[in-house]
Amino acid sequence: DGGITQSPKYLFRKEGQNVTLSCEQNLNHDAMYWYRQDPGQGLRLIYYSQIVNDFQKGDIAEGYSVSREKKESFPLTVTSAQKNPTAFYLCASNGRGLGQPQHFGDGTRLSIL
Amino acid sequence: AQSVTQLDSQVPVFEEAPVELRCNYSSSVSVYLFWYVQYPNQGLQLLLKYLSGSTLVKGINGFEAEFNKSQTSFHLRKPSVHISDTAEYFCAVSEPPSGNTPLVFGKGTRLSVIA
Repeated sequence: DGGITQSPKYLFRKEGQNVTLSCEQNLNHDAMYWYRQDPGQGLRLIYYSQIVNDFQKGDIAEGYSVSREKKESFPLTVTSAQKNPTAFYLCASNGRGLGQPQHFGDGTRLSIL
Repeated sequence: AQSVTQLDSQVPVFEEAPVELRCNYSSSVSVYLFWYVQYPNQGLQLLLKYLSGSTLVKGINGFEAEFNKSQTSFHLRKPSVHISDTAEYFCAVSEPPSGNTPLVFGKGTRLSVIA
């Protein structure tokens, strides 16, 4: 079945440590997105990529980095510069065409040790 | 910049009663509108979308939404809810052309269905 796979489901970070969240899709979608979800805050955009080897900052990019070396993959690194990383992280993708909805993975919950 | 307001953060409702979850958006130009549902510890699933045409849109699980351009609203309704509808619901908007542009989400409405 086609879909988006996020791993791991749960992740713990120590102080000063960088961690990387994986997002893989087999939907042949061009665009991929990373959102952060905090209780009562909805989804806030971290980074997005519309094509391989290109990405743009979202509303809350500080303390995060991404890469898009392959169409299928869009990993997110939470760096030590992100002082409040505890959140639920969601990856999404969509294809070309007007009004294409975004498809979401099942998320990664990141916590601080 | 676009913004989306979901007017109720929590909505409790008895099983088999009707429900309406309200959503207003800020743009005065043409928009695409979406409703998503999120069950605990899962990603978002698309319920329905409005791109153009008929203002009444039917989605999955018996939900429907009505686009009202003059009121810039896109309220979600269900005539009779079930316990399994307990979840968080998000309204989202994008501006055409929106093939590959990010959505702007509301803060969500938590629907609790009471037996």
